[in-house]
Amino acid sequence: GAVVSQHPSWVICKSGTSVKIECRSLDFQATTMFWYRQFPKQSLMLMATSNEGSKATYEQGVEKDKFLINHASLTLSTLTVTSAHPEDSSFYICSARAGGSQHFGDGTRLSIL
Amino acid sequence: DAKTTQPPSMDCAEGRAANLPCNHSTISGNEYVYWYRQIHSQGPQYIIHGLKNNETNEMASLIITEDRKSSTLILPHATLRDTAVYYCIVRVGRETSGSRLTFGEGTQLTVNP
Repeated sequence: GAVVSQHPSWVICKSGTSVKIECRSLDFQATTMFWYRQFPKQSLMLMATSNEGSKATYEQGVEKDKFLINHASLTLSTLTVTSAHPEDSSFYICSARAGGSQHFGDGTRLSIL
Repeated sequence: DAKTTQPPSMDCAEGRAANLPCNHSTISGNEYVYWYRQIHSQGPQYIIHGLKNNETNEMASLIITEDRKSSTLILPHATLRDTAVYYCIVRVGRETSGSRLTFGEGTQLTVNP
């Protein structure tokens, strides 16, 4: 089946640093990838839709200059949280579309101290 | 995409069938019903989807009412590892520019020994 790999799975860093999260589709090509954020005891919230070779489409209320998305190839999308602060601490999950189905990575738990 | 309504929580005894309901009274003719689940601290996992006919796979069965306004996900013999949040999502099935999964609150299923 389609496998989506996220890296790192866990990251702790100091306030003010930038953090990059990678999302790879391992056995299929994904023209479209999605980035979600999930706070404790809440549902997943879609942040942005990323299309290979073009600019990402951000959901309302998501700052595109803070959450930089790059989708340079059909198997890799990256999310960079710039100048991260404690309120950015969350569980970030990527997803890649293959045909009519979406497949999810196992998430990255980001903790900003 | 049509909105869905699910009970916030359900309990089920191990080995018994778990029946998870979902209301989607505003579903359109070209929208599919998708079910995903999320085990704690992991990414969502695809379970099953359908348009109007009942569907069955190795994980579960999906029963959709004739008017398509509601559906039920059935786990025939629930195990402790089925404890998770189950999401019912309605969306257009074909890959289109606006087609992506948006998550509601889901149902927390707890399987008890």
